[in-house]
Amino acid sequence: AQKITQTQPGMFVQEKEAVTLDCTYDTSDPSYGLFWYKQPSSGEMIFLIYQGSYDQQNATEGRYSLNFQKARKSANLVISASQLGDSAMYFCAMREGRTGFQKLVFGTGTRLLVSP
Amino acid sequence: NAGVTQTPKFQVLKTGQSMTLQCAQDMNHEYMSWYRQDPGMGLRLIHYSVGAGITDQGEVPNGYNVSRSTTEDFPLRLLSAAPSQTSVYFCASNNAGSNYGYTFGSGTRLTVV
Repeated sequence: AQKITQTQPGMFVQEKEAVTLDCTYDTSDPSYGLFWYKQPSSGEMIFLIYQGSYDQQNATEGRYSLNFQKARKSANLVISASQLGDSAMYFCAMREGRTGFQKLVFGTGTRLLVSP
Repeated sequence: NAGVTQTPKFQVLKTGQSMTLQCAQDMNHEYMSWYRQDPGMGLRLIHYSVGAGITDQGEVPNGYNVSRSTTEDFPLRLLSAAPSQTSVYFCASNNAGSNYGYTFGSGTRLTVV
């Protein structure tokens, strides 16, 4: 079964508008972490935001916020005031467990295009 | 700048050739890992290491070999390249329990013809 599901292959948004990128996850481990990465056309993976399963508050980092709904197992990324430079692929990822090496499991990504 | 350095950035191989993708980090991270990224898929784990001398297999290890003789370096070896290994390869490093994710290298785009 897919552990991370991103159902939006592509999203369009106008500059200065907000956009939500969806991510649902599947795990039976009570301890897990959720990440969002941005991959611009240059190819590098850029860490955006992290949410721990025990965190009470939704994570925020500048224009990025994570809408964490634990009961629904969703971790949507909200980008406020979109900029042209936000055009990129966005990946949701999860790690499980507390100890030892924890691999990241990635979704298939959402391509965001910001138009002027 | 501190981070994860991967070389080369691009490589074309012929089927059957071998090569090593280099990865080095200068953040004194315990853990290092290799992922591959294929079109329409997220990154998948190939091999990982929890410290010098300790490596283990990930999700898609076949056709690859790794070793970790130092904390800093974690090379990935393709033993006999196949077209199915055409992909973008990312090296990553992290410390246990880090909430800031994994630091990724800039990637190596490999084409096997």
